[in-house]
Amino acid sequence: QSALTQPASVSGSPGQSITISCTGTSSDVGGHNYVSWYQQHPGRAPKLLIYDVTRRPSGVSNRFSASKSGNMASLTISGLQAEDEADYYCSSYTTVNTHILFGGGTKLTVL
Amino acid sequence: QVQLVESGGGVVQPGKSLRLSCAASGFTFSNYGMHWVRQAPGKGLEWVALIWYGGTDEDYAESVRGRFAISRDNSKNTLYLQIHNLRADDTAMYYCARDSAGLRGLDYNFDYWGRGTLVTVSS
Repeated sequence: QSALTQPASVSGSPGQSITISCTGTSSDVGGHNYVSWYQQHPGRAPKLLIYDVTRRPSGVSNRFSASKSGNMASLTISGLQAEDEADYYCSSYTTVNTHILFGGGTKLTVL
Repeated sequence: QVQLVESGGGVVQPGKSLRLSCAASGFTFSNYGMHWVRQAPGKGLEWVALIWYGGTDEDYAESVRGRFAISRDNSKNTLYLQIHNLRADDTAMYYCARDSAGLRGLDYNFDYWGRGTLVTVSS
C-alpha cells in the first residue's frame, strides 16, 4: 500500500505560518481520527506533535495545530522559528493490510 | 521519565538473523502497546510491527510479515524484534515506540520513541 502523500518540501520565513498537507484515502486519513504528526530533527528520533487529528500532547507548543477535511489532513505551524526546521511526517491508521501508514515526509526550511 | 533504549543492531550478512531489544523504564510497561518503526538511511519512516500490552496479539507490515517476529517480556520490561533472512532492504535505523493508548488498547500513534539501533545488512 502506498504511503500517504506529503509535499517533499516547504519553506517559510521566521514569524510566518506554513501548512503541510497529508493526503490519503477513505481507508486511512478519511476513515477515522487516528491521524498523527511527528517532527524529526536530523539524527534524532521523531517526536509526537499531534495525535487524534487535532490534539497536542502536553509540552508541545500551541504554534502547532492540525485539522482534517475528507481524505486530507493538514499541519499548520504559526510564528515560524529557526528551531522548527526539521522533517515532518504524518501517520494514519489504515483498515487495509498494513495497519499504520506514514507519509513520505516534508522537509521544512526556515529561510 | 519514560525511556526506551534499543540495542542489538550491527552489521549482518544477508540471510542471517538478528534480535533487537528495547529496554523500557519510567512507566508501567505491561500497560502499553508497543511498536517497531524503521527508517532506511535518508528515507522516511516505515511502521514495522505492533504488539498489544498483554502480548496476546501482534501484527506486521506486509513488507516484513513472515520474516519478522515481535514479542515482549513484561517481567523484564523489554520489547523484542526477531528478524530472519535479512535482506539489503532491511538496512535501517530501528526504533521502538510506545503507543499512547495504555490499557484502552491501541491509538496507533507513538508518544515516546527510543533513539534507535542501526541494522546494516551487507556481505
